[in-house]
Amino acid sequence: AQTVTQSQPEMSVQEAETVTLSCTYDTSESDYYLFWYKQPPSRQMILVIRQEAYKQQNATENRFSVNFQKAAKSFSLKISDSQLGDAAMYFCAYTSNSGYALNFGKGTSLLVTP
Amino acid sequence: ETGVTQTPRHLVMGMTNKKSLKCEQHLGHNAMYWYKQSAKKPLELMFVYSLEERVENNSVPSRFSPECPNSSHLFLHLHTLQPEDSALYLCASSQDSQGDQPQHFGDGTRLSIL
Repeated sequence: AQTVTQSQPEMSVQEAETVTLSCTYDTSESDYYLFWYKQPPSRQMILVIRQEAYKQQNATENRFSVNFQKAAKSFSLKISDSQLGDAAMYFCAYTSNSGYALNFGKGTSLLVTP
Repeated sequence: ETGVTQTPRHLVMGMTNKKSLKCEQHLGHNAMYWYKQSAKKPLELMFVYSLEERVENNSVPSRFSPECPNSSHLFLHLHTLQPEDSALYLCASSQDSQGDQPQHFGDGTRLSIL
């Protein structure tokens, strides 16, 4: 069974600063996909970034980037130049190439202070 | 504007009531999902439909009954629910049910069982 662990229930960052959210996962598969989703108070789960396990290059989307360490089964999210609108719950998720279920972590609540 | 619309946004019901949650996607996707989000727990996958066929039923009690009349609509029929069923129910869709396809979520229905 695949499990996703987010060890930080809450994180805080000042506006314009950088913050890193941690995620580790457990799998015996070699081909899989990792995602970070953001859920603001409006409740809609929004895809932030996606990483294919077969790609060594870390995914980047504007101010969001990941540090994917396949051997360590680690998939952290870095948010640069944090903005007030980044405040939300962030969920790390895993799915195997052969499956369709997204396995989510418990989430990290990110607070952005002025 | 979300491509996945869920109604109602909030629902309060007694344990003996029958109600239905509705999800509609406007993205031309072929796969749709129901998730349950409870406080302090990871999102739990409930059902997956691909091309209107149910492909996964994740050990969900029979008091939850899904229906997918076409690839754009997904329902969750509720009957004789328990207080522990109070949660946020999220619908999602993706191009197909393969793991590499990102899922697009609705805003959810907040369900409270009295």
